[in-house]
Amino acid sequence: NAGVTQTPKFRVLKTGQSMTLLCAQDMNHEYMYWYRQDPGMGLRLIHYSVGEGTTAKGEVPDGYNVSRLKKQNFLLGLESAAPSQTSVYFCASSYRNDELYQPQHFGDGTRLSIL
Amino acid sequence: AQKITQTQPGMFVQEKEAVTLDCTYDTSDQSYGLFWYKQPSSGEMIFLIYQGSYDEQNATEGRYSLNFQKARKSANLVISASQLGDSAMYFCAMSLPSGGYNKLIFGAGTRLAVHP
Repeated sequence: NAGVTQTPKFRVLKTGQSMTLLCAQDMNHEYMYWYRQDPGMGLRLIHYSVGEGTTAKGEVPDGYNVSRLKKQNFLLGLESAAPSQTSVYFCASSYRNDELYQPQHFGDGTRLSIL
Repeated sequence: AQKITQTQPGMFVQEKEAVTLDCTYDTSDQSYGLFWYKQPSSGEMIFLIYQGSYDEQNATEGRYSLNFQKARKSANLVISASQLGDSAMYFCAMSLPSGGYNKLIFGAGTRLAVHP
């Protein structure tokens, strides 16, 4: 039972480089999310998607882009990486988020360092 | 302001004892949900327990229970009979309606160490 799978698990980039983080879920969830986790802070929402072909901005969207071409995949892109984007990135998914009790299921995280 | 506050950066407990991790929340919404997640050193986020704002009884899941005091706006996690595997970071989170979806707001977390 894979659940939510993030690729890669670790990555080191140089400032200005670009990369894409991939999130895949096999639970047929409609909603998907990208968060970042920084030391001493909880998770903060970057972007989210309520269905295939739709995306929306979260709390800290600047410097990131996302795409949801397939229901099971949610991609997070960094066009020009900056040291401030050094963080641990989590993808999550959930069933329709209409009900407050729907928990979000998280991947194992991607540790990204920008030099 | 919509906010989750976890005032205990670190806690420790002896194996087999109970421990309470504090969480207070701030919202003017009447309808909301409260979650606890566990993050072991391996990094994944594991959903533990949920409490709805209209639920009158405290939620329980095995050794986990949520002490919900609505008037005080607190949602403390109680872990009974602590085990070494309970050593982890614990996050309290609040789910709130936000323009078509329910956003999840996290606290800063509490690191729990279970000693043998």
